[in-house]
Amino acid sequence: DAGVIQSPRHEVTEMGQEVTLRCKPISGHDYLFWYRQTMMRGLELLIYFNNNVPIDDSGMPEDRFSAKMPNASFSTLKIQPSEPRDSAVYFCASRTARGLEQFFGPGTRLTVL
Amino acid sequence: AQKVTQAQTEISVVEKEDVTLDCVYETRDTTYYLFWYKQPPSGELVFLIRRNSFDEQNEISGRYSWNFQKSTSSFNFTITASQVVDSAVYFCALSRYSGNTPLVFGKGTRLSVIA
Repeated sequence: DAGVIQSPRHEVTEMGQEVTLRCKPISGHDYLFWYRQTMMRGLELLIYFNNNVPIDDSGMPEDRFSAKMPNASFSTLKIQPSEPRDSAVYFCASRTARGLEQFFGPGTRLTVL
Repeated sequence: AQKVTQAQTEISVVEKEDVTLDCVYETRDTTYYLFWYKQPPSGELVFLIRRNSFDEQNEISGRYSWNFQKSTSSFNFTITASQVVDSAVYFCALSRYSGNTPLVFGKGTRLSVIA
């Protein structure tokens, strides 16, 4: 079985540009999580979904960030406009409703110049 | 509120030494789950172990062992006879027993094993 798939793996953009990160969770998983990892703040939960419905987006830093999950096999995290402080590795993770371990994707390394 | 503290930011050991990574957690829940994840230099996060709060038996898996002590709110991870391939960042995490909540991660401990 394929694991969590994220694209792109690397993204370099200029300040002010829109950035869209994509995630395909493991088939059959009901929960999807978006995390951001930086040296200063470690792993931070941004938002998570259950059955495609956003449950908690309190970790989303500001209105420039938005996330959607239009169906069970796809989610996006959008930053518009991007800023240099958004530079980080963004991870997507998924798990089943009954399972507790989260399975992580390889991450997207975002650099905003 | 739940919190996980990994006081050791970085540890460096020589190959074949034993090393223990500390994890201390805070929760008001009486039942909960604890986890360890490994993040090797390639960047992905790999699940290592999950323990529930009512099972305080230590667990051993090859060179890895975990010591869970509810009395001190600790869930420490020991690598015996460390190898260079063990070099990674290790994260401890906590979740509510209901499971319908996200994991709360510590800041991680970077382990460097030198040949």
